[in-house]
Amino acid sequence: EPEVTQTPSHQVTQMGQEVILRCVPISNHLYFYWYRQILGQKVEFLVSFYNNEISEKSEIFDDQFSVERPDGSNFTLKIRSTKLEDSAMYFCASSEAVFNEQYFGPGTRLTVT
Amino acid sequence: AQRVTQPEKLLSVFKGAPVELKCNYSYSGSPELFWYVQYSRQRLQLLLRHISRESIKGFTADLNKGETSFHLKKPFAQEEDSAMYYCALRGNQGGKLIFGQGTELSVKP
Repeated sequence: EPEVTQTPSHQVTQMGQEVILRCVPISNHLYFYWYRQILGQKVEFLVSFYNNEISEKSEIFDDQFSVERPDGSNFTLKIRSTKLEDSAMYFCASSEAVFNEQYFGPGTRLTVT
Repeated sequence: AQRVTQPEKLLSVFKGAPVELKCNYSYSGSPELFWYVQYSRQRLQLLLRHISRESIKGFTADLNKGETSFHLKKPFAQEEDSAMYYCALRGNQGGKLIFGQGTELSVKP
């Protein structure tokens, strides 16, 4: 069964550095999402992406964040200048259509030191 | 405001006991409600959605619009049900999911 994949599984970076988290959604899916979960807190929506543009973003998704689908298979989340409070588990998800089930990746644990 | 509340962080029961994981929501409209499950070291996966009204792994959940609740129930818990359970809401535009804090279910032998 096809699955959403994410790399790396764990990323450690220093404050102020740029990070790129990568996701490969399920191949026939058209809607892509990023969520994050700070340790001990709820899973929070960051951004949704469809037809090569952002369809919705949360207050968390400020100018430090960007998303891209560079090559038709990868879906990336970039954090330009990481802060300590960006430390979290980042989940990618994809769905065939906007009302269909979202399939989640295994997550990338980002640790900012 | 759109919000999902799961009042219990941890629910511990013995095998064979009934289980009810509570979920309440706040949404001005007709949302779609879901239960997601995350087993140890596995990814989040959909367990139930209210519109399909089916029973998965013995779990059921009924949407109560009057009480704005979507509690998850199982009559006889099994050890393999031990996991994190997240209630989530999606608005009538589709797209983003709004999650509750999650309830850790521990089923003891």
